[in-house]
Amino acid sequence: DQQVKQNSPSLSVQEGRISILNCDYTNSMFDYFLWYKKYPAEGPTFLISISSIKDKNEDGRFTVFLNKSAKHLSLHIVPSQPGDSAVYFCAASATGANNLFFGTGTRLTVIP
Amino acid sequence: KAGVTQTPRYLIKTRGQQVTLSCSPISGHRSVSWYQQTPGQGLQFLFEYFSETQRNKGNFPGRFSGRQFSNSRSEMNVSTLELGDSALYLCASSPDRGTDTQYFGPGTRLTVL
Repeated sequence: DQQVKQNSPSLSVQEGRISILNCDYTNSMFDYFLWYKKYPAEGPTFLISISSIKDKNEDGRFTVFLNKSAKHLSLHIVPSQPGDSAVYFCAASATGANNLFFGTGTRLTVIP
Repeated sequence: KAGVTQTPRYLIKTRGQQVTLSCSPISGHRSVSWYQQTPGQGLQFLFEYFSETQRNKGNFPGRFSGRQFSNSRSEMNVSTLELGDSALYLCASSPDRGTDTQYFGPGTRLTVL
């Protein structure tokens, strides 16, 4: 039972344009959400997180939006750069539980 | 600060053997979690240790076990290896329990022949 879903396995974007990666979740107990970037044979690198008390969090080129009523979050990367090409995972957890539930990942390709 | 370190980075074992993987968390981090990544199942939570005690466990058989030492370093052990145990094993640390960001190590690639 996949509690966190990323329905787009891949996304291609031109350099300089916006990349939007989407994630849906089913468990209403989740209250902390994270995005990680991952290269093959390496561990995930933390990008940005958001608590359920917020609906937006920004860090440089990265912004995460959370829509609790829709159980949906998205990661916006503006402007996209070729170095952003990687697999992006969204993850969720519930307060008091230190286990992350991961989506299946979206492979982002930024075309120069 | 140094990041999460994992040893060894690569390991080849045969079916029936056992294996021990090691993880050193970021200095000052007290919670260590382990995850398994496979092409078929994605990233799945194995277990979490905090203050030398297992606090949470994922849906894995008892062949998968772990421990944490007083310096927060952690080990995981897989006994009676099966072909399906071939995976990237990732360790993550966080300062405390609860909604803290988890920082991952580079992983140990285990191949079972």
